[in-house]
Amino acid sequence: SYELTQPPSVSVSPGQTARITCSGDLLTKKYAYWCQQRSGQAPLLIIYDDDKRPSGIPERFSGSTSGTVATLTISGAQVEDEADYYCYSRDNNTNPIFGGGTKLTVL
Amino acid sequence: QVHLVQSGAEVKKPGASVRVSCKTSGYTFTTCDINWVRQATGQGLEWMGWMNTDSGNTGYAQKFQGRVSITRDTSISTAYLDLAGLSSEDTAFYYCARTGCGDYDFDYWGQGTLVTVSS
Repeated sequence: SYELTQPPSVSVSPGQTARITCSGDLLTKKYAYWCQQRSGQAPLLIIYDDDKRPSGIPERFSGSTSGTVATLTISGAQVEDEADYYCYSRDNNTNPIFGGGTKLTVL
Repeated sequence: QVHLVQSGAEVKKPGASVRVSCKTSGYTFTTCDINWVRQATGQGLEWMGWMNTDSGNTGYAQKFQGRVSITRDTSISTAYLDLAGLSSEDTAFYYCARTGCGDYDFDYWGQGTLVTVSS
């Protein structure tokens, strides 16, 4: 079955740039999306269609895709950005599929 | 303002079934699909299935085929997830989320419903 692969954890100091990757063969043909999930909360979409940001999401969040790898970049990470981040996309049957998630630590 | 409000926590015994509801407001219910996603404690997000709330057509992840059902009541703008044959592995938060309308998918999520399966 199709999978999206993310690193389990990423750690940065406040003000540094955090990059979280998501690998999947179908990312050459399907959009990547990213959501943020803070502890005890529902997920929140922060990037859609590879690189678009919904209104209200800070500009420090950006997305890009190159080949089979999508990347979420947080420029100048803040303590409040500490959360789990999930990429998702769709498989050949257009069903949503989520990556395993990456725990971002900012300290 | 769009809201998806889910029913409260459930405790079930192994082998039982559970129904979780997702009441929507702030938009026309039948213009968006509803998806169900679950998350076991400390684990990642897992898509379970979706429903076209206008036609009633559904699609389910292969893992849950045969024991999951998504239905809706358009008169009260509410979608339902039914999961049968519960085991301890089904202990998780269950979320509904909207797709197929607006500028992007999964733009609004319910608050989550904890289902605990324990003897």
